[in-house]
Amino acid sequence: DVKVTQSSRYLVKRTGEKVFLECVQDMDHENMFWYRQDPGLGLRLIYFSYDVKMKEKGDIPEGYSVSREKKERFSLILESASTNQTSMYLCASSLGTAPTMNTEAFFGQGTRLTVV
Amino acid sequence: AQKVTQAQTEISVVEKEDVTLDCVYETRDTTYYLFWYKQPPSGELVFLIRRNSFDEQNEISGRYSWNFQKSTSSFNFTITASQVVDSAVYFCALLVFWSGTALIFGKGTTLSVSS
Repeated sequence: DVKVTQSSRYLVKRTGEKVFLECVQDMDHENMFWYRQDPGLGLRLIYFSYDVKMKEKGDIPEGYSVSREKKERFSLILESASTNQTSMYLCASSLGTAPTMNTEAFFGQGTRLTVV
Repeated sequence: AQKVTQAQTEISVVEKEDVTLDCVYETRDTTYYLFWYKQPPSGELVFLIRRNSFDEQNEISGRYSWNFQKSTSSFNFTITASQVVDSAVYFCALLVFWSGTALIFGKGTTLSVSS
């Protein structure tokens, strides 16, 4: 079974702190994603990566950056955490690109981040 | 532009009732994939089904069934004889062939099934 593991289930950070959210997948997937989930807004894409060292902005990249130094690991970085970044963060991975049938994304358990 | 609309924010039913969750999508592309995911209270999204745009056959899996209609750009999900364990947030999502690899999600429908 594909496993996507997020390093923390709950995090509490202070405003202005630099925050790292880590995600690891064990199925050699090319694509990895970071989404943010807020009530009434669904899941919104922050960044994604289709290869090592490659990254693409999603719908809401402001205030975030990402790092993908190894294929299995995709990190989301909040450069200077703010209270409006309090949210549930979901990491996902998928194999291949749309032309293949292996396009479903597998999700981690989520990290609930609170910025105080 | 691509978009997924789940007009029902919350639905409450009593056990054994049938319930349909609506999903309407927008895309100009002819090749795309549609998905349903379930998010139980534990938080992890669970994949339920994938459909490509060339396959309009309805699908049934146990108590779950999906109705894909390109004419109305809809991909509705029906749970027959609902159970308390079906209580969750359900997301419909779209993946367009030429847009890359990221899923576009609707805002989700929260289903509450009471006993």
